[in-house]
Amino acid sequence: RKEVEQDPGPFNVPEGATVAFNCTYSNSASQSFFWYRQDCRKEPKLLMSVYSSGNEDGRFTAQLNRASQYISLLIRDSKLSDSATYLCVVNSHSGGYQKVTFGTGTKLQVIP
Amino acid sequence: DARVTQTPRHKVTEMGQEVTMRCQPILGHNTVFWYRQTMMQGLELLAYFRNRAPLDDSGMPKDRFSAEMPDATLATLKIQPSEPRDSAVYFCASGLAQGVTDTQYFGPGTRLTVL
Repeated sequence: RKEVEQDPGPFNVPEGATVAFNCTYSNSASQSFFWYRQDCRKEPKLLMSVYSSGNEDGRFTAQLNRASQYISLLIRDSKLSDSATYLCVVNSHSGGYQKVTFGTGTKLQVIP
Repeated sequence: DARVTQTPRHKVTEMGQEVTMRCQPILGHNTVFWYRQTMMQGLELLAYFRNRAPLDDSGMPKDRFSAEMPDATLATLKIQPSEPRDSAVYFCASGLAQGVTDTQYFGPGTRLTVL
């Protein structure tokens, strides 16, 4: 089993729709979680951190479920500009340094 | 607007040649990461430095890859000799380690093609 797993998609959704992605992780000792966005042929960019209490940034909501070991990203009112690949990142800390694991990403295509 | 810079942006070379990629982290950041991205494998962590010391390079093929930080403003990733299977985009990222919330800022990447 991979340490971090994502549905690769693609998720094809119409403008204005709500879409949600999940990301599961296997290491129960994981401590910090993030969502990154990567546009085609560009570098990943931090979208948001994921906190235990959940967090919201405009149309984006991220949640963490430690019991079931997954994080989620919800996008409301999808825009064409949201089309990208969304990568989840799971960090664990051991021996004084962090182990960073990226998921392989979920591709989102918002269609007019 | 502080950014991570990487050079070269593109590199085409022949099998067996040495390749050196450079990264300038954001000033004040104390962690540097090297990643490789391919369509098949996604983003793979190759090496991780904190305060210029290598902490984890378990993801890096040791026989041909080496990563160093000669000073706080420069990180290098070297492949010698290069092979076609090394063709990928190599990203450098830097961050400021603060407890468990270590976010990373990526450079634009070096697109490497080994013929």
